[in-house]
Amino acid sequence: GQQLNQSPQSMFIQEGEDVSMNCTSSSIFNTWLWYKQDPGEGPVLLIALYKAGELTSNGRLTAQFGITRKDSFLNISASIPSDVGIYFCAGQLRGQAGTALIFGKGTTLSVSS
Amino acid sequence: NAGVMQNPRHLVRRRGQEARLRCSPMKGHSHVYWYRQLPEEGLKFMVYLQKENIIDESGMPKERFSAEFPKEGPSILRIQQVVRGDSAAYFCASSPTVIGTGELFFGEGSRLTVL
Repeated sequence: GQQLNQSPQSMFIQEGEDVSMNCTSSSIFNTWLWYKQDPGEGPVLLIALYKAGELTSNGRLTAQFGITRKDSFLNISASIPSDVGIYFCAGQLRGQAGTALIFGKGTTLSVSS
Repeated sequence: NAGVMQNPRHLVRRRGQEARLRCSPMKGHSHVYWYRQLPEEGLKFMVYLQKENIIDESGMPKERFSAEFPKEGPSILRIQQVVRGDSAAYFCASSPTVIGTGELFFGEGSRLTVL
């Protein structure tokens, strides 16, 4: 099946540092989304991207939809302890509106104060 | 305004028993998706349903697993004759429309443990 390659798999950073993670695919996507999952909870939508080249911010989070439509990145600036969790990228394939999202395997973020 | 509601949050079954997981989508949402998450893994798509219809079940095992979303009531994911490998977190998500954004809103999950 389709795969999203998400990296890095895990990150250990100090509070206040900036973080960057990305997703790539061999297929073209219509939509890229970034979710965060806290332990024992369901994923929560952070940012949704709909157009190639689109750059969207949500507070300290910024995400971009790659020009080729095959990649996306998420940046977190000035990290804080509550940023700890697993971040997932997800995409919807081009030409398949209504199909389920495909998820990356996640980036586990640890923040030390 | 309640979000996606799943129950039970935790379910323990012995091998061979049946597990039933329920999902009530957000108000106004008529599309339901079920995903499975194994430890340290991402979310794997299982099935996509609209009211009374299965739209895409390409991710669901052919044996022992079934899903429904009746006209009235929650969506049900049913696993018959559970095995240890079925132990996982099962997440339900809903969306308001099939066309466009692809945004899904997730419940808190049902964690199945098979002894």
